[in-house]
Amino acid sequence: DAGITQSPRHKVTETGTPVTLRCHQTENHRYMYWYRQDPGHGLRLIHYSYGVKDTDKGEVSDGYSVSRSKTEDFLLTLESATSSQTSVYFCAISGTSGTDTQYFGPGTRLTVL
Amino acid sequence: ELKVEQNPLFLSMQEGKNYTIYCNYSTTSDRLYWYRQDPGKSLESLFVLLSNGAVKQEGRLMASLDTKARLSTLHITAAVHDLSATYFCALAEYQLIWGAGTKLIIKP
Repeated sequence: DAGITQSPRHKVTETGTPVTLRCHQTENHRYMYWYRQDPGHGLRLIHYSYGVKDTDKGEVSDGYSVSRSKTEDFLLTLESATSSQTSVYFCAISGTSGTDTQYFGPGTRLTVL
Repeated sequence: ELKVEQNPLFLSMQEGKNYTIYCNYSTTSDRLYWYRQDPGKSLESLFVLLSNGAVKQEGRLMASLDTKARLSTLHITAAVHDLSATYFCALAEYQLIWGAGTKLIIKP
């Protein structure tokens, strides 16, 4: 299995608070992704990164920001969490191309009250 | 607009039966992925199909790709309970475009 960890694995927070989720990889893969998964919506791409300090928006990026200061770490920040951001968040990595096989982390379940 | 449509979205079947999940897409890409997700778990890569006519098989699962028809299928042969999961197809464009997933329940 690809070495991908996510932290925290579970988090409950209140509306309006900032939240940061971390994705860490040990595979030295170039691409990293953040998805959210909600019932009835499948997987939706939030942001992705194609290198250190190189990031771009996905289809549901509003309310989220990301940073990648090292190859191995990709952070997702909810500046002011809302109840609509309650979801399961998955990090994924892929090698040399945005269309390579993606390998997924274990996920973070976030609840915003 | 890029679209990847799976059907059915939900399938309940008996052990021992055969069935097929369909993945239709709207572009001319020739690379498509199938993933599996167990309840409460992460996604696991099953197959990557790289060209027209590609066929991959593992155990009771067989995936195929017809780029002319813009269709991929995931065929389940003699289903067993352990294959119960949600199956996603994902089309490779500049990034992966995901289908909505097919939740498969196989009853003993």
